Amino acid sequence: ELKVEQNPLFLSMQEGKNYTIYCNYSTTSDRLYWYRQDPGKSLESLFVLLSNGAVKQEGRLMASLDTKARLSTLHITAAVHDLSATYFCAVDIGDDKIIFGKGTRLHILP
Amino acid sequence: ETGVTQTPRHLVMGMTNKKSLKCEQHLGHNAMYWYKQSAKKPLELMFVYSLEERVENNSVPSRFSPECPNSSHLFLHLHTLQPEDSALYLCASSHARRVGELFFGEGSRLTVL
Repeated sequence: ELKVEQNPLFLSMQEGKNYTIYCNYSTTSDRLYWYRQDPGKSLESLFVLLSNGAVKQEGRLMASLDTKARLSTLHITAAVHDLSATYFCAVDIGDDKIIFGKGTRLHILP
Repeated sequence: ETGVTQTPRHLVMGMTNKKSLKCEQHLGHNAMYWYKQSAKKPLELMFVYSLEERVENNSVPSRFSPECPNSSHLFLHLHTLQPEDSALYLCASSHARRVGELFFGEGSRLTVL
């Protein structure tokens, strides 16, 4: 059975701190996506990672993909309150199917 | 209009009702998806239509019936639902054949009484 596991599932952190969210998956894939969801809102695409070793950065967020380890990370640098949201990783398993992790609810304290 | 539009945004229905959710995308994509998001589970892939053909029916109960009349429109027909079907139903679109990420609509919040 395909599994996409994120950890932690909940994270409360202080502004200005750094932290990393991990996404492990159990099947071969070279495409992984990160999404953000604000409460009561839909999902917004953050990063598209299309190959082993891919690294993308946008502001205080940086995502990377290691297809051999079946691991992606989302690193937050010097967190600010506006980054509070739920973050999902999603794995493309082919045949137009994309499977999501459970999400990491991030709460950044001022 | 741009993006992915879902209607209605909120729906309350009884267990014996028949209703439909509608999704329309204006992005020129040719794959469309229904996902279910409930409080206690991760996003669940329900149906995938790629190039107007259904390519995934992920063990979804028959009380949910999808329809994709063309590459821009997707429906989810609802019939004799159960209270546990209450959830946020998200529509998404993408380019078919693994070209890129999903673009989501705002979702339809369904409550089954």
